[in-house]
Amino acid sequence: GENVEQHPSTLSVQEGDSAVIKCTYSDSASNYFPWYKQELGKRPQLIIDIRSNVGEKKDQRIAVTLNKTAKHFSLHITETQPEDSAVYFCAGGGTGRRALTFGSGTRLQVQP
Amino acid sequence: DGGITQSPKYLFRKEGQNVTLSCEQNLNHDAMYWYRQDPGQGLRLIYYSQIVNDFQKGDIAEGYSVSREKKESFPLTVTSAQKNPTAFYLCASSISGGSTDTQYFGPGTRLTVL
Repeated sequence: GENVEQHPSTLSVQEGDSAVIKCTYSDSASNYFPWYKQELGKRPQLIIDIRSNVGEKKDQRIAVTLNKTAKHFSLHITETQPEDSAVYFCAGGGTGRRALTFGSGTRLQVQP
Repeated sequence: DGGITQSPKYLFRKEGQNVTLSCEQNLNHDAMYWYRQDPGQGLRLIYYSQIVNDFQKGDIAEGYSVSREKKESFPLTVTSAQKNPTAFYLCASSISGGSTDTQYFGPGTRLTVL
């Protein structure tokens, strides 16, 4: 089955800096990669996703890149703000599979 | 997000008791999922259902049971066979039963064993 690995497990940046979180996946048939943000004690919320027919997708300060050859994808947050502090999860899904496989999460702390 | 509700928000269980966690959605989604989240860890799939009256085991189904009698509802029972049930439980749904559809999560239930 699919295996999704996420790094780093914790990340601390200064306000205004950029943050990058990376995930690798094992199943070359995976073609859908969402990213979720989870604030303390709350539900995960989708912040951006990418499908394998594109290499990059951007939404304001958030971008995701996908390298299908290397089987990795990354979340980029620019101009970080304290409210970006949360746990971020990547996930992988593929046609024919019934459920997403989640990474172990990255705790991002943005220092004011 | 408001289309998926979970209750209760907090639940306390004594040793040896079965408890049932509720999950309801009004999004007309076919697929529903249950995840377990432990501190500092990711989301582990317990059970999922692609359609009414059908469900499949996920990665950590032992000690749990589910039913899917209605499209809107997917309750999870944590049985006494689950030896370490203290965790945060999240329910999710997606428009259809495939892993390429966006999943929307409920607010979660925090279960504590006394």
